[in-house]
Amino acid sequence: GAVVSQHPSRVICKSGTSVKIECRSLDFQATTMFWYRQFPKKSLMLMATSNEGSKATYEQGVEKDKFLINHASLTLSTLTVTSAHPEDSSFYICSAPGAGETEQYFGPGTRLTVT
Amino acid sequence: GQNIDQPTEMTATEGAIVQINCTYQTSGFNGLFWYQQHAGEAPTFLSYNVLDGLEEKGRFSSFLSRSKGYSYLLLKELQMKDSASYLCAVKDSNYQLIWGAGTKLIIKP
Repeated sequence: GAVVSQHPSRVICKSGTSVKIECRSLDFQATTMFWYRQFPKKSLMLMATSNEGSKATYEQGVEKDKFLINHASLTLSTLTVTSAHPEDSSFYICSAPGAGETEQYFGPGTRLTVT
Repeated sequence: GQNIDQPTEMTATEGAIVQINCTYQTSGFNGLFWYQQHAGEAPTFLSYNVLDGLEEKGRFSSFLSRSKGYSYLLLKELQMKDSASYLCAVKDSNYQLIWGAGTKLIIKP
């Protein structure tokens, strides 16, 4: 089946620095990708929809200047957490829709810890 | 507002059967999904229901009643590896996935 990869799988950074997370569709093209964050024992929260060739669509309450999204190609979307703070520590997951109604392929997730 | 409710945690015994319920109130309905998520990993797709009734797939079955805004995931012949969180998600009228908080299933020997 289709595969989505994320890099890095884990990252620890200092408060005030920026972190870039990559999401790649490995064997299919994705004009749209979704970025989620998940706190422990909580639901997936959609942050934004990344669109190839146009600006990302952010969900209400998500700061677009803090969470920069770039959909550089049909197989790559990046999420940059700028000026990270400890409260940004979370599990970030990307996904890409497949061709059918039911298909959505998730990346393995990135565990971000901000110290 | 939109809401998906599922129990926070359930415990079951290896070899037994467990039913995880999900109720939803969403603006429109375009299908209900069940995903399995092991700790620290991304969700993996289990089932999709868009019409009323039962969908069976091996040891897992999923049921939907649109009039009641209700679904359940039935897991049979439980194995230790089934210990995970089970997420219910609904596609609303905008085809956006609305996620429940997940049910942590603990399997005991």
